[in-house]
Amino acid sequence: AAGVIQSPRHLIKEKRETATLKCYPIPRHDTVYWYQQGPGQDPQFLISFYEKMQSDKGSIPDRFSAQQFSDYHSELNMSSLELGDSALYFCASSNLIEQYFGPGTRLTVT
Amino acid sequence: LAKTTQPISMDSYEGQEVNITCSHNNIATNDYITWYQQFPSQGPRFIIQGYKTKVTNEVASLFIPADRKSSTLSLPRVSLSDTAVYYCLVGDNAGNMLTFGGGTRLMVKP
Repeated sequence: AAGVIQSPRHLIKEKRETATLKCYPIPRHDTVYWYQQGPGQDPQFLISFYEKMQSDKGSIPDRFSAQQFSDYHSELNMSSLELGDSALYFCASSNLIEQYFGPGTRLTVT
Repeated sequence: LAKTTQPISMDSYEGQEVNITCSHNNIATNDYITWYQQFPSQGPRFIIQGYKTKVTNEVASLFIPADRKSSTLSLPRVSLSDTAVYYCLVGDNAGNMLTFGGGTRLMVKP
């Protein structure tokens, strides 16, 4: 069965650079979520989209933005990167029963 | 959102049954109880969801008493590959974001 696809899987950036993470949800899932998981921490909800509209907003920094496109894929844009942004970024899609998580993008900011 | 409390860690041996209890004293009437499993550097994976009494699937059982202020995830005959962090989450079933907090780190020993 198709799963959530995230790209890239690994990303290394320097401080103050920008990064774009992409998420391709499971076909026919109309809701996409983004989570951030720092080292040794629990996943923290950032933002979600339903039918291409923002549906919920969590602890997403103002330096980050996201959107969902007409084909339902989503992108998380991160600017002015800081060392503390180093984390695993998970995307999940939902059929409103359970959330299916992607493999994550490991972002390292140096 | 209802707050949950679970043990920080548990140890078990292969072949044993493991029961992880979660407290959620202020669960709302329309809240469901959902359990996710997470392996290191992987996205969380849905295990089971329930509203009341008992739910069973191919990997686990979920026991929920009548007052719904707690729930118990039961993993029958665990194996080494069940070593992971298990999260109990409480929320309505409307596709809202997941609030992860304080999962239980299960270590299965040979």
